[in-house]
Amino acid sequence: QKEVEQDPGPLSVPEGAIVSLNCTYSNSAFQYFMWYRQYSRKGPELLMYTYSSGNKEDGRFTAQVDKSSKYISLFIRDSQPSDSATYLCAMSAGGSYIPTFGRGTSLIVHP
Amino acid sequence: EADIYQTPRYLVIGTGKKITLECSQTMGHDKMYWYQQDPGMELHLIHYSYGVNSTEKGDLSSESTVSRIRTEHFPLTLESARPSHTSQYLCASSAAGVLYNEQFFGPGTRLTVL
Repeated sequence: QKEVEQDPGPLSVPEGAIVSLNCTYSNSAFQYFMWYRQYSRKGPELLMYTYSSGNKEDGRFTAQVDKSSKYISLFIRDSQPSDSATYLCAMSAGGSYIPTFGRGTSLIVHP
Repeated sequence: EADIYQTPRYLVIGTGKKITLECSQTMGHDKMYWYQQDPGMELHLIHYSYGVNSTEKGDLSSESTVSRIRTEHFPLTLESARPSHTSQYLCASSAAGVLYNEQFFGPGTRLTVL
């Protein structure tokens, strides 16, 4: 079983839709949960991070962590064509531990 | 502007050639990493370094080598390229002391070995 599972998609939605991206994990030691966004021909860039369980909101983006279910989500409200990218979840036990990445979900928002 | 650079961006070479992928960062980060990324697959860590003269192998078995002689520079070398090395290679860096270990990525080098 992989430590981090993420459906690669692609996920295609119309502009304005609410998007839900998800990852599951198996390592109980993970404390930091991150979402990276990767545009085509670019490297990933950190979008948001959350410590432990709970929600975190940043503009149209909300990150949610449920440690009891080992399940994390990223919600995008009012999705825009510029949100079209691959979204990778990443998790870490913190400190010097190197994050473990999911395979990424390709999101396409069409006008 | 602080940034992380990779050259070349694209490389097509024949089997058996020796190649070096360059990575430099201007952020003064102690930690640097090399990842391999194939379409629809996880980022696989192949090498990392926590400082000058410190290098470690990652989770993915790799025939490449790295060196860290200067803080800002972390080149990756393939002594004899093979078609199985065809992939996207991402370099990243992170600052010490950041609990969630945010990684700053370069734009990647897409390598094709014929």
